[in-house]
Amino acid sequence: NAGVTQTPKFQVLKTGQSMTLQCAQDMNHNSMYWYRQDPGMGLRLIYYSASEGTTDKGEVPNGYNVSRLNKREFSLRLESAAPSQTSVYFCATITGAALTYGYTFGSGTRLTVV
Amino acid sequence: EDKVVQSPLSLVVHEGDTVTLNCSYEVTNFRSLLWYKQEKKAPTFLFMLTSSGIEKKSGRLSSILDKKELFSILNITATQTGDSAVYLCAVQGAQKLVFGQGTRLTINP
Repeated sequence: NAGVTQTPKFQVLKTGQSMTLQCAQDMNHNSMYWYRQDPGMGLRLIYYSASEGTTDKGEVPNGYNVSRLNKREFSLRLESAAPSQTSVYFCATITGAALTYGYTFGSGTRLTVV
Repeated sequence: EDKVVQSPLSLVVHEGDTVTLNCSYEVTNFRSLLWYKQEKKAPTFLFMLTSSGIEKKSGRLSSILDKKELFSILNITATQTGDSAVYLCAVQGAQKLVFGQGTRLTINP
């Protein structure tokens, strides 16, 4: 999706391995979010960053860490991957000043932990 | 705890039918309710609703919010096979967007 870039698009990890999912936006938005989507569960919020330099836990933060490196970039790290973290991960952004058009989502990262 | 519940979870209809998707919510510091369509990849934005009783329309899709009863509906008239997707309802609180489970809509020709 235009404006929000996620890498990688696909990843297979072994249990216990670590990795970082990258998200970058060029929309100059303040707020950025990481969601995971499991079948039949909708999207669940992992962590969010309301502005540069701040991060907060969402609904399902256990097993993850985040870094808001600057206004553009918000990364999600799995320190020791577990099969329960197999999911599709979405990064999203929105400007706090205008909610008219909703959130913009990245294209997703499909992660499989074996 | 904030929650958003959608119904039905799955719906199969024939092309040309009209469908109504439901979304109820309990979210503190309500700011807005959003509808998204998700096909193979990321959700794409459909509507944002902030005021009760005002219908938003886009082509064959329309949506309305009832802030007193805490629910919203999404209507799709004269459905087409291209409407097949998962429709997500989400409610924006003070800081977070809370999603429902989604409704998987299948339109058969």
